[in-house]
Amino acid sequence: EDKVVQSPLSLVVHEGDTVTLNCSYEVTNFRSLLWYKQEKKAPTFLFMLTSSGIEKKSGRLSSILDKKELFSILNITATQTGDSAIYLCALRSGYSTLTFGKGTMLLVSP
Amino acid sequence: DAGITQSPRHKVTETGTPVTLRCHQTENHRYMYWYRQDPGHGLRLIHYSYGVKDTDKGEVSDGYSVSRSKTEDFLLTLESATSSQTSVYFCAISEGAGQSTGELFFGEGSRLTVL
Repeated sequence: EDKVVQSPLSLVVHEGDTVTLNCSYEVTNFRSLLWYKQEKKAPTFLFMLTSSGIEKKSGRLSSILDKKELFSILNITATQTGDSAIYLCALRSGYSTLTFGKGTMLLVSP
Repeated sequence: DAGITQSPRHKVTETGTPVTLRCHQTENHRYMYWYRQDPGHGLRLIHYSYGVKDTDKGEVSDGYSVSRSKTEDFLLTLESATSSQTSVYFCAISEGAGQSTGELFFGEGSRLTVL
């Protein structure tokens, strides 16, 4: 059974800090790992990672995958209050569905 | 934004009553999913569909049924609602299941309260 574990479950930082969110996984047939951001409503897509060591970047957010050690990290630099959200990691294995972790709740205080 | 509409967006019902949630998409995507989201559990898959009349169970399918008679509509039915089914339900769609098309697009969610 596929498994996704995110850490920490919650985090409070000050505006301007850099944060690293972790996602480790167990999978039988890896296809891709995805990151989502969820504010008050629907999760919105951030990144999809399929290859080890290749950083995906979008503005202040970046993510990288390590398929040997079975984890991914999501970095946010120079955090802003608008980054406050739940960040979800999801795994796609050989089937058509995604398995989600429980999420990391990030609060950025002014 | 992906064209996904969920209805109703909010519903309060009583234990034992049937409830149907509807998901409508305008993207012509093949795959449709129903997830529930609860504190401490994250998003959990209830059922999904990989085509008209083709559906399969997810990890928390007990007490739920689904139907997909048209590409654009995916219905989730609680035959006899229970308080444990109080949750926020998200519909999602994806074009395919491959590495290049694995991204899911989510609807706005339907908040269901069972008293």
